Amino acid sequence: SQTIHQWPATLVQPVGSPLSLECTVEGTSNPNLYWYRQAAGRGLQLLFYSVGIGQISSEVPQNLSASRPQDRQFILSSKKLLLSDSGFYLCAWKRQGANSPLHFGNGTRLTVT
Amino acid sequence: KNQVEQSPQSLIILEGKNCTLQCNYTVSPFSNLRWYKQDTGRGPVSLTIMTFSENTKSNGRYTATLDADTKQSSLHITASQLSDSASYICVVTPLGNDYKLSFGAGTTVTVRA
Repeated sequence: SQTIHQWPATLVQPVGSPLSLECTVEGTSNPNLYWYRQAAGRGLQLLFYSVGIGQISSEVPQNLSASRPQDRQFILSSKKLLLSDSGFYLCAWKRQGANSPLHFGNGTRLTVT
Repeated sequence: KNQVEQSPQSLIILEGKNCTLQCNYTVSPFSNLRWYKQDTGRGPVSLTIMTFSENTKSNGRYTATLDADTKQSSLHITASQLSDSASYICVVTPLGNDYKLSFGAGTTVTVRA
């Protein structure tokens, strides 16, 4: 069966510090990978998605970046965190095809202080 | 403007009672509409999926309906249990673009004993 791992579960970082969130998927190959941010009272916001190694599409022009160094590894990064980067970050994978569901990790609660 | 609106924002029900959640969307054309359940501090999990030609879909005590003419969907929870306490999110997949899904903000359901 397929599983998705996302870590860390919680993170408190000072403004201006770097960020690295990691997500890995097991049990499937060539998944589509996604990073979302979830704010209270709002729908999930797509940050990045990837259809293959090294292929990253950015939806939100912020100080965040994503990389996919391996087929089942997706990393969300920032060189300098802002207060506004605080939130709940979710990684997800999906098979090709509109009717395939998103499979989410358990998220990272990021607090920038 | 969000293309998926959910109501109510939150509701409280007694264990054993039924409830209905609403989702109105403007995404058109669309491939499918899916309901997810998100427990606190966890990632969302898919409950049901309906394509544009389907009117209803059940998953245990969860029954989703879809009216593509009025662009409305509902999720009915029957004989609620304490474990149904969660946020329920309506998600619409645009036709021809299964990367950029439209998410509702969710309805938070609290079931009390």
